[in-house]
Order: sequence, then structure tokens, then C-alpha cells
Amino acid sequence: DSGVTQTPKHLITATGQRVTLRCSPRSGDLSVYWYQQSLDQGLQFLIQYYNGEERAKGNILERFSAQQFPDLHSELNLSSLELGDSALYFCASSVLAGGPRNTQYFGPGTRLTVL
Amino acid sequence: QKEVEQDPGPLSVPEGAIVSLNCTYSNSAFQYFMWYRQYSRKGPELLMYTYSSGNKEDGRFTAQVDKSSKYISLFIRDSQPSDSATYLCASTANSGYALNFGKGTSLLVTP
Repeated sequence: DSGVTQTPKHLITATGQRVTLRCSPRSGDLSVYWYQQSLDQGLQFLIQYYNGEERAKGNILERFSAQQFPDLHSELNLSSLELGDSALYFCASSVLAGGPRNTQYFGPGTRLTVL
Repeated sequence: QKEVEQDPGPLSVPEGAIVSLNCTYSNSAFQYFMWYRQYSRKGPELLMYTYSSGNKEDGRFTAQVDKSSKYISLFIRDSQPSDSATYLCASTANSGYALNFGKGTSLLVTP
């Protein structure tokens, strides 16, 4: 158990809908990262927050957005869902924004199925 | 083209074999290298973490980085059926930055 929690575990929804995925980082971790894992693309970085501020953006669609709250939990919002958004969504957390021992620990993921 | 390339396998070996998993990367700025293990329907768990070139050993696992050839390797000695999983290599220029993952190699260790 990494100490990172994600809810829900599974989500089934229809095209055009909007969903929110939630992540609680490990105790003491200030950075939160969101990744998408699909069969064809593998694990791809979406976005990073550090202590409430957006720090880096990856291949995140405009239909997707995220935020990190004062208690450091984070939410990933996915809207106007398409079939191709079906994937595993992982949250990871780390203590700092950088440094030689700043490893990322992953949560169990949320499996999103868009029908 | 992905910055980290990894043969997806699957790789099947008998119990007790030495396993060699490999990745290549293209970004010369990468200096942090990790191996994650992912069991089916679980999140990736950190296995090995290496900074810059060289070897690092942890029990049955050895990670090797050759920055001159941009090659990353993971060796597993005395492989066990419980090692059956997908192994993901990852690299980044700064440990606070996003990780660039290979697509993962599926390993099956048969009793």
C-alpha cells in the first residue's frame, strides 16, 4: 500500500458526461501528479500540482481539468467524455517538487469506462 | 515517438532464471531513472531508483544505467512466480518533473 488513495475504483458513464476523480496524497506529500494509462499509449503524464499550484502540464486535453485543494487532495475533472477517454487514471504523490530523493508513489487508480 | 521505448514482450521464463529487461531513451537531459512493477489491476509500485549512470543492487534486483548509450536495464536473479507482472521503466530530467514511461514489459515466470 503506497499511502495514496483514489476514489472511485471504477466508474462507468456515457459519452458526453462529466466525471470527477479524487486523489488523496500520502501524508506529508505536497506534489500530486495525474497520469492516464491506456493500452496503446501506456502511462502518460497529464498534470502536476505542488502545494495547491499548477506546476506542469503534459498531454492533458482541454476537456480535462484538475485542482489541488488546501488540504492537498486533488480532483481531476473530465468533461464531454468520449469513448477514447476510457482508461486507467492514476494519481501519484511526492514530498517535494524536485531533488534527488523525490520519488513518486502511485495510487491504485480509477478505471473509467465510457459507453 | 515516445522518449522512452520498451519492448512490450510478453517475456516468459522458468522459475529461477535470470531476467533481463531493457529500455532506451532519447532525451539527453534525463538523469533520474526508475523501474516500477505493476501487477494486474494495481497501481505501479516503485522498485528501483537510480540517479545518473551506474549500477544499483537491491536483493535480487539490479538496475543499470548507461547514459552514453541511453540504455536502461533491470536484472532479476532467481526469478519467482511472484515476479510475474508488468515492468515499467521511467525517466525524467528532474525528479520533481513528470515521469516519462515506457509502455511496459509483461513478464511471466512459470513454476
